[in-house]
Amino acid sequence: GENVEQHPSTLSVQEGDSAVIKCTYSDSASNYFPWYKQELGKRPQLIIDIRSNVGEKKDQRIAVTLNKTAKHFSLHITETQPEDSAVYFCAVPYGGSQGNLIFGKGTKLSVKP
Amino acid sequence: DADVTQTPRNRITKTGKRIMLECSQTKGHDRMYWYRQDPGLGLQLIYYSFDVKDINKGEISDGYSVSRQAQAKFSLSLESAIPNQTALYFCATRVMNTEAFFGQGTRLTVV
Repeated sequence: GENVEQHPSTLSVQEGDSAVIKCTYSDSASNYFPWYKQELGKRPQLIIDIRSNVGEKKDQRIAVTLNKTAKHFSLHITETQPEDSAVYFCAVPYGGSQGNLIFGKGTKLSVKP
Repeated sequence: DADVTQTPRNRITKTGKRIMLECSQTKGHDRMYWYRQDPGLGLQLIYYSFDVKDINKGEISDGYSVSRQAQAKFSLSLESAIPNQTALYFCATRVMNTEAFFGQGTRLTVV
């Protein structure tokens, strides 16, 4: 099956600093790479995603980069704010019709004011 | 997001009891998923379904079963609940190569 590794498991930064979370996967056929944010007591929600035909995508303070050759993609958050504190998950679809959606174990990001 | 609805939201049950968690969606998506979330272990896939005739096991299907009663409904059953099945359960829906939409979650406690 697919192996999805996410690092680090915890990350603490000062407000205004940048944060980077990395996800590696094993199935070279995967072609869609999302990142989810889960605030305390809430459901996961998509914050950004990227498809395999591009190497980078930005949305204001967040960006995702993809290296298909090395089979990893990363979430970048710049100018972090306290409201960015949450658990972040990467996910990778694989298998027949890319139906199996496997999540990384999550990164707990803490942004200190 | 009221488009994916889980019932119940909270449930306490005794060891050995059968329990069913229900999920319904109004998004018209073909794919539906059940995940289990434990602290530090992320979201583990239990079962997923492409349509009413297509059910697939995920990473941790032992002790669980599912039923896709209709395009919009996907139920998760614990035939004989045990304490280590205490967790937060999420239903999700999506179409191919797009984002997954999650329900509000069901917090299950087995005593």
